[in-house]
Amino acid sequence: QQQVKQSPQSLIVQKGGISIINCAYENTAFDYFPWYQQFPGKGPALLIAIRPDVSEKKEGRFTISFNKSAKQFSLHIMDSQPGDSATYFCAASGNNAGNNRKLIWGLGTSLAVNP
Amino acid sequence: EPEVTQTPSHQVTQMGQEVILRCVPISNHLYFYWYRQILGQKVEFLVSFYNNEISEKSEIFDDQFSVERPDGSNFTLKIRSTKLEDSAMYFCASSGGRGAVLSYNEQFFGPGTRLTVL
Repeated sequence: QQQVKQSPQSLIVQKGGISIINCAYENTAFDYFPWYQQFPGKGPALLIAIRPDVSEKKEGRFTISFNKSAKQFSLHIMDSQPGDSATYFCAASGNNAGNNRKLIWGLGTSLAVNP
Repeated sequence: EPEVTQTPSHQVTQMGQEVILRCVPISNHLYFYWYRQILGQKVEFLVSFYNNEISEKSEIFDDQFSVERPDGSNFTLKIRSTKLEDSAMYFCASSGGRGAVLSYNEQFFGPGTRLTVL
């Protein structure tokens, strides 16, 4: 119930195309769903996040779509650029004891944007 | 812009030795975390820390692991007797600045310490 399933494992997109990464969760107590971007040798960087009271959130070229009934959420990268080439992780957290907000992570998607 | 810092960037140690990984969280944050990432695998939660005590720890965080906030700025992870399988990237994260309710959700990560156990 604590798992977050992410797909695809890897993705190749042409410059200017749309990158779509999907995640699914089981635990209905999760109430916060972030996406992290990680470049090789660096720590994960918070990209965008959503709470289940909205179905979509957009920040620049990055959009999260959230389907509460299906327990799925996805990241869309519009006009993908070579600089977007990185590993993307979805994650989820819920309100645990003491306001501990441990993140449960997906396995990651390696995105390559061809010039 | 405030950031989480970690030292050292790379630590090589012999099996059975003790290591201490250091982190300086963002200064006004209240919640602190350690995660690890074995090469090519997903990020795994180790421990969370709030109000000078552990809030939650994972199955990985056994008696060989400990955390400490020795002063107002540092947050350390100690592995008492390292094993080969402890080789991984260790990330420190912090969240929960005083203010907006959502702020404690947003975890900011350091650059990591690569631990290699020989």
